[in-house]
This record gives sequence, structure tokens and C-alpha cells, in this order.
Amino acid sequence: DAGVIQSPRHEVTEMGQEVTLRCKPISGHDYLFWYRQTMMRGLELLIYFNNNVPIDDSGMPEDRFSAKMPNASFSTLKIQPSEPRDSAVYFCASSLDSLSSGNTIYFGEGSWLTVV
Amino acid sequence: QKEVEQDPGPLSVPEGAIVSLNCTYSNSAFQYFMWYRQYSRKGPELLMYTYSSGNKEDGRFTAQVDKSSKYISLFIRDSQPSDSATYLCAMTRDDKIIFGKGTRLHILP
Repeated sequence: DAGVIQSPRHEVTEMGQEVTLRCKPISGHDYLFWYRQTMMRGLELLIYFNNNVPIDDSGMPEDRFSAKMPNASFSTLKIQPSEPRDSAVYFCASSLDSLSSGNTIYFGEGSWLTVV
Repeated sequence: QKEVEQDPGPLSVPEGAIVSLNCTYSNSAFQYFMWYRQYSRKGPELLMYTYSSGNKEDGRFTAQVDKSSKYISLFIRDSQPSDSATYLCAMTRDDKIIFGKGTRLHILP
């Protein structure tokens, strides 16, 4: 399997612009997670989906952030409008089944976002 | 108090030394305990996975969990320059994985 695939790998955008990050989870995985990583705060869970349904979005920082999963093989994380403090690495991850059943997650390579 | 505490380092040790990395946690509800390794500009990858208190060994790596003290450790024997990376502890509760901030490790040749 190709693993979790994210795009773009790098994005530099101006403040106020819309940013869309994309993710293709591992085939057959029922759970998809979006994380953000910064030096100050480490890896933070933003939102996760089970069978394409958002389960917990309590980590989404504010209304400027939104995430969708229209089908089992694709998810997007959108920031509109973007701000310099959104600069971070955004990781997508997926798991075969419930984490509370002993499954673990597999990460993509990340999308490196810089907002100037 | 954060749920998971991890010293960010950096930690520099000479090649061949034994490395000890640690995390403490505050929530007794955590069920599974993991260590992830993250190389520069890469995503985290799973290194070790444990459930119960005690030790689990895999090659040069040993993961230790002490649920009574809410303390987990990762030991690396015969450390190599290729072990230079950031090591993140992680714990599962409900359907979420909570990560420590990571410890940057440098193995000096």
C-alpha cells in the first residue's frame, strides 16, 4: 500500500488567502485524523472522522478551519481566511479501526504551510 | 497540567550509549502506550506499542510502562547515528491518540 498521501507537500500563501490541504487515507481504513504540529504546541488533534462522518472537531481552532470527507478515499482541510499563526505542518493519519480496540494510526508525510 | 508531559531536549549522547527517554501522564484512562519516531521533515512512524505495565523489547528498543506511577520509558541500546530523530510518546484514550511534544535526540558519531 502507498500509505497516507497528502498534498501539497509545501504551500506558501499570503494572509487572507484560502488554503486547501488534501489527504488520501490508506485503503480500507475507517478512521481519518487531521493533526497540526508546531514547535510550541507539538502535535494537536484537530478533527477525526469515522466512516466519513466527523466524530470530534473540538480541536479545530476556530471557524476559519473546516474539514470534509466526501468519500472513504479523500478528505480536505480548509483554512479561510488564512493567518500567519496558521503556519505549521499539517498531518493526516488513518487507522484501520477504533483506537480503543488497540489499533494505531499511520501518518502521511505532512503539508508544510507558511502564511506570510 | 498537561495530560502528557515530555522533556523536549535536545538530548545528545555518544554513539553506542544507552538512551533513556521518558514521559509522564496524568489521566488514568489511557489504555495503550506508544512511541513514535519522527525524522526531520517526515511524518511520525510507529516504533513501539504496549498495553500493560511491564517491558516490551524489540531489537535494540525496550518500552517500559509503569501505570501505578503514570510513567513510560523508551530505552535504546547501542545507539547509532541513524537513531537521531525526535521521539514522541503517545497514549490512547477513547478514540484519540494524545502525543507528548517529543524529545529531540542526537547521537554523536
